[in-house]
Amino acid sequence: AQKITQTQPGMFVQEKEAVTLDCTYDTSDPSYGLFWYKQPSSGEMIFLIYQGSYDQQNATEGRYSLNFQKARKSANLVISASQLGDSAMYFCAMREGTSNTGKLIFGQGTTLQVKP
Amino acid sequence: GAGVSQSPSNKVTEKGKDVELRCDPISGHTALYWYRQSLGQGLEFLIYFQGNSAPDKSGLPSDRFSAERTGGSVSTLTIQRTQQEDSAVYLCASSLGGGISYEQYFGPGTRLTVT
Repeated sequence: AQKITQTQPGMFVQEKEAVTLDCTYDTSDPSYGLFWYKQPSSGEMIFLIYQGSYDQQNATEGRYSLNFQKARKSANLVISASQLGDSAMYFCAMREGTSNTGKLIFGQGTTLQVKP
Repeated sequence: GAGVSQSPSNKVTEKGKDVELRCDPISGHTALYWYRQSLGQGLEFLIYFQGNSAPDKSGLPSDRFSAERTGGSVSTLTIQRTQQEDSAVYLCASSLGGGISYEQYFGPGTRLTVT
């Protein structure tokens, strides 16, 4: 069964430093997509980055990059040059390609706190 | 352009009452999703609409939960005979399609409290 695991309930990082948020997944579907969302204390879900299972290169979006290791089934989010506004909950999610639904399966999230 | 909107933003109801939660997706988005987020937890899928049909209702927790979508746009999630365990934030999302790479845009959510 498809599953997303985020093993870090909480993380701290110093402002301007880089931080890696871990995500591992489990699926038997060869076609899938991996997503990261940010949820600030205000509650909205903000899309950050997407990685497809057949993408040859790791995805990057500004200060966000995804360290995709297919054989290890991991899709870690790297945030470079952390800012105070990065303090939020971060969710890793997966969508399987061969199902008839586009539903996302979410991990339990990691709370990131950026220290000044 | 306008994002996904949900109403009400907060709803407090007594146990046993029925509630209706509304979602207005982004115009032109054919796929619509409902999720539920309990305090401090990840999001739990409830139901997926493609147009007005719901090919995946597998996440609805009981027959007290139902949803419909009309005109390929607005969706309503109805919870009958609410229970305290129904207390959560209900999030709606829409996307251009149900394909694997389509980003889902989320609304602000409805916080439901059952007393």
